[in-house]
Amino acid sequence: DGGITQSPKYLFRKEGQNVTLSCEQNLNHDAMYWYRQDPGQGLRLIYYSQIVNDFQKGDIAEGYSVSREKKESFPLTVTSAQKNPTAFYLCASSPSQGQGTQYFGPGTRLTVL
Amino acid sequence: KQEVTQIPAALSVPEGENLVLNCSFTDSAIYNLQWFRQDPGKGLTSLLLIQSSQREQTSGRLNASLDKSSGRSTLYIAASQPGDSATYLCAVMGTGANNLFFGTGTRLTVIP
Repeated sequence: DGGITQSPKYLFRKEGQNVTLSCEQNLNHDAMYWYRQDPGQGLRLIYYSQIVNDFQKGDIAEGYSVSREKKESFPLTVTSAQKNPTAFYLCASSPSQGQGTQYFGPGTRLTVL
Repeated sequence: KQEVTQIPAALSVPEGENLVLNCSFTDSAIYNLQWFRQDPGKGLTSLLLIQSSQREQTSGRLNASLDKSSGRSTLYIAASQPGDSATYLCAVMGTGANNLFFGTGTRLTVIP
């Protein structure tokens, strides 16, 4: 089956710890995205990548880091510098940036204890 | 910066009713507009995509319209069903074809 997978579904972190959220796609898409969703707010863009080994900051990149070493993978690291990391994180991909619709993964809910 | 607003925030209707969800955006220079569905605790599913040159798109019981000049889009759902219960999100892409700007969504409940 083609699609986007995110793992884990639920993640708990102690304050001061870095955690990495996984995102994998087998759609052969060039572009990938990370969004954060908070209650009562729209999705906000954290980082995006148009192609392997390239990525750009979105609107709320502070406290986050990404890598794009393989076309199918775009992991997101939530660092201890992120002051309010508890949120629902969504990964998406599209054939290329701005082309066609974005396909979303099932999301990871991160809770900081 | 583009701002996207969706009204109402929540809507409850009896099964079988036709309904309209509204989306407005502040910058009319858009590349496309998309409507998504999100079930609780899940990712987003694309419903309809309207290019800036188009006025509407239809898929089954769903019809989305776009009026760029007034900065508005509507999603029309005909003969609503309990399975339509979800949050509906509107998102616009600017002419730079860079990234999507999302509204906060309308949470729809269809009562059997």
